[in-house]
Amino acid sequence: GAVVSQHPSWVICKSGTSVKIECRSLDFQATTMFWYRQFPKQSLMLMATSNEGSKATYEQGVEKDKFLINHASLTLSTLTVTSAHPEDSSFYICSAYLAGGPNEQFFGPGTRLTVL
Amino acid sequence: GDSVTQMEGPVTLSEEAFLTINCTYTATGYPSLFWYVQYPGEGLQLLLKATKADDKGSNKGFEATYRKETTSFHLEKGSVQVSDSAVYFCALITGGNMLTFGGGTRLMVKP
Repeated sequence: GAVVSQHPSWVICKSGTSVKIECRSLDFQATTMFWYRQFPKQSLMLMATSNEGSKATYEQGVEKDKFLINHASLTLSTLTVTSAHPEDSSFYICSAYLAGGPNEQFFGPGTRLTVL
Repeated sequence: GDSVTQMEGPVTLSEEAFLTINCTYTATGYPSLFWYVQYPGEGLQLLLKATKADDKGSNKGFEATYRKETTSFHLEKGSVQVSDSAVYFCALITGGNMLTFGGGTRLMVKP
């Protein structure tokens, strides 16, 4: 099946710093990538949808200047949490979708961010 | 809009018990239906899926049947193991590429 990787798998940073999370589709070209956030014991919350070469579409309530998404190629999307604060601590999961392929999203393993 | 409702947990069972986690949905069009499993500290893994009415998805002893008449996709397993302890998410995709998730059901299996 299609494989999606995320890097790093976990990161601890100081408040005020920026953190970049990478999401890669390893064996297919993803026309669309999605970024989710998951708080403890809750379901996934969609943050944004990104298509290669165009600006991301953010869900209501998600600050686009806080969570910068870049989808520079069909195999790579990045999420940068700018000026991170403790309330940004969460589990971030990406997924990838291939138009014309199976009608499903393929998930990465997630990145746990802890902001001190 | 589309929505998925699944039974709230936690569901606590003894090893070898029968498992049912209910999932119902509302959707426009003809969705594909999924069950994902999330083990502690990990991301989501696709457990099984069904793409059309009356399809049965199955994997690792789990199965679910796409019931259009009752708009349901209940997850079942005949004999659970301790290693099945996890959170299970029911989800759907319609004509676009957006996933709609249920709230998740935590399963705890005791020896």
